[in-house]
Order: sequence, then structure tokens, then C-alpha cells
Amino acid sequence: DGGITQSPKYLFRKEGQNVTLSCEQNLNHDAMYWYRQDPGQGLRLIYYSQIVNDFQKGDIAEGYSVSREKKESFPLTVTSAQKNPTAFYLCASSPGRGGYTFGSGTRLTVV
Amino acid sequence: GQQLNQSPQSMFIQEGEDVSMNCTSSSIFNTWLWYKQEPGEGPVLLIALYKAGELTSNGRLTAQFGITRKDSFLNISASIPSDVGIYFCAGSFSGGSNYKLTFGKGTLLTVNP
Repeated sequence: DGGITQSPKYLFRKEGQNVTLSCEQNLNHDAMYWYRQDPGQGLRLIYYSQIVNDFQKGDIAEGYSVSREKKESFPLTVTSAQKNPTAFYLCASSPGRGGYTFGSGTRLTVV
Repeated sequence: GQQLNQSPQSMFIQEGEDVSMNCTSSSIFNTWLWYKQEPGEGPVLLIALYKAGELTSNGRLTAQFGITRKDSFLNISASIPSDVGIYFCAGSFSGGSNYKLTFGKGTLLTVNP
């Protein structure tokens, strides 16, 4: 079955480390997105990509980086420049109209 | 930028009661969507609306695309405990190569058995 897979489900990071969150989809969707969700808050857009080798900053891109070398993959790196990285991270994909399909999320905790 | 106001922020209801939540936008949309998110999971699409005035049902859920294209509501009838979760509205005016949804902040629904 087609879907979107995020890994790992839980991730612990030491202060000052970079970590990379994986997002893979086999839906043949052109567009992919990364969101951050904090308790009691909505979804805030970090980065998005409409096509391979191209991506745009969202509303809260500082301290994050992405790449889109393949249509299926859109990894997110949380860098040491992100001062408050503890959050729930959601990846989504879209064919360009209609709803997004979301992954099941990665919970990142700084220890 | 586009903003979505979703209300209420939270609801505490008894099993069997009906629920209504809504979203309003500062600008017109040509797509309205409703999602449900359960704890520790990603949001799942419940209903998609593409036409002003459209009324669509999915089991006990009914959603409408407002005639002004600036609002939408979601109703849940005869709530059950598994309806618990966060409900998000989302909308978009763009399509094709610049497709991006704007999300509301969510309605947290608690159902008491």
C-alpha cells in the first residue's frame, strides 16, 4: 500500500548535535512538507518542496535544513542552531491539490 | 498572509452528544479540508470540500464549504469515545505548482463515556 513513512518514531538529541529526520513516500506525490507541532499549538510549516532539487522556507525555517534529491525522500536536519528543538515533527506529501497525506511523526527530545 | 480562526479551542462533551466546530478565513479559499489527529500520530484526512456550498458526509461526520468561501464547519453526530482527538481545519486558494495548505490551530475534543 502507498503511504508516507517517518523514522525514527522517537529521537533523542544532545545539545549541540545535529540530527536528521527521515521522510519517505511512495505515493508519487510531487510536493512534500515538514511541520513542527508543539503541545497545544497548531502545525507550523518549516520547509516545503514542490519538485525535486527545489525547496522553500516556511514560517519557522531558522535552525533547520532540508534536501530533495529524490522525489520519494525529503529529510529534515535539525541543526545545533535550533535553540528549542524539542517538538513533534510531521512530514506530509501532496499531489498538488486536495489533502496532504501525513506521516505518523517523529518526537524529538533534547537531553 | 492567510489566517484561519478555528473555534472552539477545546470541547468537553458527554458520549452521545452532537459536536460542532468551525473555521473562518481572512481570505477566500477554493479548498477546505478537515483532519483528525490522535495522540502521537499524524493527522488523517476526514473530509475534503472543493465547491462553495458543498455539504459532504462521512459516516457521523458532516462538513460544509461556506457559501462566502471564507468559512467551513464540521459536525459530529452522536459522539463516541473514539472521537477523542484534535480536529484541524485547513484551506487553500492556490493549486498546482504552488500548493500549500493553511491550518487552523485545532479543536481538542474530549468525550466522557
